[in-house]
This record gives sequence, C-alpha cells and structure tokens, in this order.
Amino acid sequence: GAVVSQHPSRVICKSGTSVKIECRSLDFQATTMFWYRQFPKQSLMLMATSNEGSKATYEQGVEKDKFLINHASLTLSTLTVTSAHPEDSSFYICSAVLGTVLYGYTFGSGTRLTVV
Amino acid sequence: AQTVTQSQPEMSVQEAETVTLSCTYDTSESDYYLFWYKQPPSRQMILVIRQEAYKQQNATENRFSVNFQKAAKSFSLKISDSQLGDAAMYFCAYRSGGTGNQFYFGTGTSLTVIP
Repeated sequence: GAVVSQHPSRVICKSGTSVKIECRSLDFQATTMFWYRQFPKQSLMLMATSNEGSKATYEQGVEKDKFLINHASLTLSTLTVTSAHPEDSSFYICSAVLGTVLYGYTFGSGTRLTVV
Repeated sequence: AQTVTQSQPEMSVQEAETVTLSCTYDTSESDYYLFWYKQPPSRQMILVIRQEAYKQQNATENRFSVNFQKAAKSFSLKISDSQLGDAAMYFCAYRSGGTGNQFYFGTGTSLTVIP
C-alpha cells in the first residue's frame, strides 16, 4: 500500500533554532500534502495544505512565517519550524492524498518536537 | 466548516465483548465521506473503516462495522469481539467529496480494553 515516510520521528531543539520535518511519499505521487498538529490527548488540527509547485495554504491562526512549508516535488513536502519556542512543542503529522478519494489519506508516522 | 462531534471522551470494554463509539457530524453537503481512524500509542494513524455518503449499506471490515444514519448525521463504530490490540484513541473524520479536500476530525474517544 501507499506509504508516507516522515522524519525525524523525534527531535529536541533549543529555543530560537529551526527544525525541518520531512514527509516523503514512497510509492506514489502526492500532489497534495496536509500538515497537522496534535497536542497531547487532543485531536488533529490542520495547519496547512501543501500543493506541489505552489504556495501552501495556511489555516487561520497559523503563522506562515513561523511554519514554512515547501512542496517542491511530487514526493517531498517539508515543514520548517523557525525560531522555535517551547510552545511549539507538539506532535506534527503529515498526510498525503492518494489518487482516489475512496482511500482517504495516508499518514506519516509523526514527529514529536520538543523545544527546550 | 463542517463539525464532527464525539461525545464519549473515554470508553472501556471487556475483552471479547462489543463496544459502540458514537459520532455525529454537521454538514449541508450531499457528497462526502466518513471515516474512523485508530491512533495507538505509537501515534500512527490507521484507517479502520470508511463510508461513502451515497451508499445506504453500512460498511463492514471484519470485526468493525458502522451504523450510518444519514438523516440523523450519525456515524457510529461498532467493534465486536474486542481484543487487547484494539485499545487506542479513535477518531471520527469527515471529508468532502472530490479530491484534495481536508479532513475534519472529531475530538477522539480513548478506548480501553479490559482483559
């Protein structure tokens, strides 16, 4: 089946630094990638929609200058958390749209970001 | 925006018994899809079952089945013969028809399976 590889699975960074999270679709072309954020024991909240070759669309309240999304190819989308702060600590999950709606999404395994 | 409501933050079930998780949604669309996702402690999202709104027949996947009541906008998940591996957070999700549309997730139900 379709697989989305997300790396790193865990990352700890210092306040003020930047962290890049990668999502790769391994055996299909993902024209659309979604980025979610999940706080402990809470639901997934959509941060942005990333379309290959165009600017990402951010949800209301999400700082686009802080959460930089790049979708330069059909198999790779990246989320960069810039000038990270402790409040950015969270679980970040990507997902990709498969070729047919019936199959829904394929999700990456998530990245746990801790900012110290 | 569409809303998805899961009114049971936590549920528990005895091993081998049956449990039903509730989900309601609000939409004015006629073309949409509904899903149940499972998120175990590993945090990997796993598709459990999906339902197309235009289908009257309830979806079934082995021990998992849904009760889709379109007029009532209700989409419950029934887990039969519960197993220890079923313990997880379960999310109900809505997606508009067509391609490239986002999911709307409910707040989740934490399921505990008691040996």
